[in-house]
Amino acid sequence: GNSVTQMEGPVTLSEEAFLTINCTYTATGYPSLFWYVQYPGEGLQLLLKATKADDKGSNKGFEATYRKETTSFHLEKGSVQVSDSAVYFCALTPFGNEKLTFGTGTRLTIIP
Amino acid sequence: NAGVMQNPRHLVRRRGQEARLRCSPMKGHSHVYWYRQLPEEGLKFMVYLQKENIIDESGMPKERFSAEFPKEGPSILRIQQVVRGDSAAYFCASSRQSTGDTYGYTFGSGTRLTVV
Repeated sequence: GNSVTQMEGPVTLSEEAFLTINCTYTATGYPSLFWYVQYPGEGLQLLLKATKADDKGSNKGFEATYRKETTSFHLEKGSVQVSDSAVYFCALTPFGNEKLTFGTGTRLTIIP
Repeated sequence: NAGVMQNPRHLVRRRGQEARLRCSPMKGHSHVYWYRQLPEEGLKFMVYLQKENIIDESGMPKERFSAEFPKEGPSILRIQQVVRGDSAAYFCASSRQSTGDTYGYTFGSGTRLTVV
């Protein structure tokens, strides 16, 4: 079956620190990979995605590269801000427009 | 172009009552997905529907839960005889019909169900 394993949280960083949230996956075939962000009291927002090996998704200073050889899709940002405080979910779909399989989420808190 | 609309935003039910959660997908989207998020957990898939059809309900509990997406109107997730363990956030997402490309889903803001 499909599964996503995320770095355990919570993660607390100072403003302008470098961020990495690890994500590895198990899937049959060639999944599409996603990072979603959930701000307090809100629904999930798509942060970035990658649909094939070696693709790099990027948005709002966040990046993640689809690494098929290590089955990973780690999220990175060079300099975090207080406004980045949220819960981040790694997810996959085996094919487009089918059900998402989510990781358990990583709560990120940025301290001024 | 309104996003995915879910209502109500918050719903309180007593044990044994019925809960009805509504989801209107984005314009042009014909696929609807329901997910449940228990406190401090990730989202778990429940059901995938297209207009008038249930495509995949492998994540739905066998009893008390049902979903529909009629030809006209919103998708409805119905929970009969609610119990405290049903308390969770229920999220709906929609997507466009696949054309071979991969589109990210658009999520609604969720319905937070509290069973007292």
